Amino acid sequence: NAGVTQTPKFRILKIGQSMTLQCTQDMNHNYMYWYRQDPGMGLKLIYYSVGAGITDKGEVPNGYNVSRSTTEDFPLRLELAAPSQTSVYFCASSYEGVGEAFFGQGTRLTVV
Amino acid sequence: DAKTTQPPSMDCAEGRAANLPCNHSTISGNEYVYWYRQIHSQGPQYIIHGLKNNETNEMASLIITEDRKSSTLILPHATLRDTAVYYCIVRVPFKAAGNKLTFGGGTRVLVKP
Repeated sequence: NAGVTQTPKFRILKIGQSMTLQCTQDMNHNYMYWYRQDPGMGLKLIYYSVGAGITDKGEVPNGYNVSRSTTEDFPLRLELAAPSQTSVYFCASSYEGVGEAFFGQGTRLTVV
Repeated sequence: DAKTTQPPSMDCAEGRAANLPCNHSTISGNEYVYWYRQIHSQGPQYIIHGLKNNETNEMASLIITEDRKSSTLILPHATLRDTAVYYCIVRVPFKAAGNKLTFGGGTRVLVKP
């Protein structure tokens, strides 16, 4: 039981490049989330999904896209990387209701 | 979801109890209080949650005041490994709310030998 797995752990992108941050969970959770955390700050919600085929915007969605074709996977797409997207990205999952959320170990992204 | 207020930082001595306060004066009747912590840029880790009764698990205790406008997380015997940022979050854990967690600034706790 691996929990929430994020890949890659580190990435350096050039301005204007694109990439996909991968997130997969093996707990059969229906809810999944993407957060970003800038240095010294709290986490901000980018997108979330309440089940396969259903996604919705969080607090800071601009510059990102998501898809949820399976229960297990929730990839985050950056189309045109900008320096403002330099951050640590966390994926999380939970079962609906009063349960806890489980977080991945993060992807540290630098845009230069 | 109701907003929370936490002190930005606090120190505590190793082996002593650490009491972390959280103010949530605008909490509504169906909102729960959750605590998470984040150790040195790792992913946040769930600690405990409660509605109105005090709760205890193997990690911590949660004390919620009778009017539910504030709460205290208690780490009974702090260790150096408890050094982390602790987040107090209040939310409605129902499907319609998306089960979202909204993080504030948290309290940076430093456990000293």
